[in-house]
Formats: sequence, C-alpha cells, structure tokens
Amino acid sequence: QQKVQQSPESLSVPEGGMASLNCTSSDRNFQYFWWYRQHSGEGPKALMSIFSDGDKKEGRFTAHLNKASLHVSLHIRDSQPSDSALYFCAASGPPTYQRFGTGTKLQVVP
Amino acid sequence: NSKVIQTPRYLVKGQGQKAKMRCIPEKGHPVVFWYQQNKNNEFKFLINFQNQEVLQQIDMTEKRFSAECPSNSPCSLEIQSSEAGDSALYLCASSPGTGGFSNERLFFGHGTKLSVL
Repeated sequence: QQKVQQSPESLSVPEGGMASLNCTSSDRNFQYFWWYRQHSGEGPKALMSIFSDGDKKEGRFTAHLNKASLHVSLHIRDSQPSDSALYFCAASGPPTYQRFGTGTKLQVVP
Repeated sequence: NSKVIQTPRYLVKGQGQKAKMRCIPEKGHPVVFWYQQNKNNEFKFLINFQNQEVLQQIDMTEKRFSAECPSNSPCSLEIQSSEAGDSALYLCASSPGTGGFSNERLFFGHGTKLSVL
C-alpha cells in the first residue's frame, strides 16, 4: 500500500527554530494531502490540509504543494518542545481512502 | 481529547485466540475507518464503513478479520485467529462524510494496542 514517502526519517531542531518536513506521492491518483501529528500514546491529530498548488498557512504551520511533482512540505516556525512528535502526511484521491506516509520523528530541543 | 472512543486501550492474546476491539465514532460521523499501525509506525488501511455498509477493504481484512458498524452500537474489529504479526496499534477514525470521505479530515481515537504472545 505504501505509495507515500516522507523525509527525513528524523529531525532535531532547536526551540524557536524552523522544522521542514517533506512528502512525495508516487501515484498521480493521490494528489490531495493532509498533515497529521501523533504524540506518544495518542492517535494522530490532523494539522492541516492542502489540495491546491502553492502555500497554505495556519498559524505557525505552512504547507506547500507542487502538484506537478506531487511533493508537499510542512514548515513549522518557532518550534516548541510540544511540537516533538511523529508527523505523517496522508495522500488521497477520490474515491479511495487516505494513504499514510512513512513518518518523520521531530524532536525540538530546549 | 479524542472524541472517538476506542476500547480496550490494551489487549493481550495468545496465538490462535480471538481479539476484538470496539470503536465509538464521533457523534454525527457516519464514516468509520480502521487502520493498523505497526511497530515501525507504518499505517495499513484495513476497512471503512459508511453507516453500516462496507465501502472498501483489503484482502487481509476479508480473510482473517471481520468488522461491523451496527446501527446504534459501537463499531468493532475482530481478528479470528491472532498471529504474532498482528501485534500492532489498531486505530479507528471517523469523518463527517459531507464531501465524500476521501479528502476529509480524519478524527482518530487513541487506538487499541494489541500484543499477540
């Protein structure tokens, strides 16, 4: 089922820094993207979606989508220790379910 | 706090035993998904429902897994004869189903962690 690749596998950034996560879909049928965050011991929680080319900003989070390359990125500015978690992108395309990526483990160091 | 309620949080079974877990979706959400998240954090879609009807399921689900979402009762996922490879976190998610289920935000529960000894 794995058609969504994420990089890097893990990432460490200082508190207040910028974290950048990447995701690519290998199937042109899946070109709608969500970003989810999962803290230890919890289920994933949606952060934001992006369906159109370009940037989308929600608070400290900015997503960028390039539909031609099926590449999406998530940038977290002013990273906080509470942002330390697993981050997943999920790609979908009607009429099927979301396919989750391989995940990026983010650690924000105080 | 998750409004999707999954029980139990932890489940320990011996190989060959049945394992059953339940999910109450968020109120008003007719679409329910089950995913398996393994120890490497890889997700595998298992099955989804709209109200009581199955929308999609993978081959594995057809063979050893059974799932249902009866009216006015929790949804459930049951593994008929547990195998060591079934040890994983089983996540239930729901969505409002207003614009088609594919692209909607998924609301997840905490999951049921199954250990097959």
